[in-house]
Amino acid sequence: DAKTTQPPSMDCAEGRAANLPCNHSTISGNEYVYWYRQIHSQGPQYIIHGLKNNETNEMASLIITEDRKSSTLILPHATLRDTAVYYCIVRVAPFTAGKSTFGDGTTLTVKP
Amino acid sequence: DAGVTQSPTHLIKTRGQQVTLRCSPKSGHDTVSWYQQALGQGPQFIFQYYEEEERQRGNFPDRFSGHQFPNYSSELNVNALLLGDSALYLCASSLQGAANEKLFFGSGTQLSVL
Repeated sequence: DAKTTQPPSMDCAEGRAANLPCNHSTISGNEYVYWYRQIHSQGPQYIIHGLKNNETNEMASLIITEDRKSSTLILPHATLRDTAVYYCIVRVAPFTAGKSTFGDGTTLTVKP
Repeated sequence: DAGVTQSPTHLIKTRGQQVTLRCSPKSGHDTVSWYQQALGQGPQFIFQYYEEEERQRGNFPDRFSGHQFPNYSSELNVNALLLGDSALYLCASSLQGAANEKLFFGSGTQLSVL
């Protein structure tokens, strides 16, 4: 699986958009970008995933650059409950075909 | 619809002992993966079970073993516990071949080895 690089921490004001970057310069053509988050003392929670097109769901938007070497997770209106560690994972789908490599993620702190 | 459930939630053992952790997958899921998460780090893949067989394995010693039952539930066994085995152990379930193959995680078992 391709290696990902994320900033260790970020802050965001409540109500503003949180933009979390992820670099995956060695991504292969058949690898998807997945995002999970982990709120303290809980297991990781799936947020969104995509291959090459931008994706949006009820939780977030995922923007993937045209060369697919980086992506950005956007939380449009961050709340205090969005404070968590966010993990960017790149891997071949189907997901169940193999292991997932979590890095250390980005700790997002949403401030009032 | 129950999600992924793990038991126990907390466990204290001493070095050299053996431990068994249990996981029930989300209803409708047939694949279970286990992860170890040390404090301040991301989860590390241990192994994955599908059709009662170990399908993938991470870089963990043979002291770590598992099992999957016909009802898809799973156990993680760790023998000869070391202090370094202290961690949060996470179970994740998924459905093999699903179009949106995402992992659903339990809340984990916090293992402390003294």
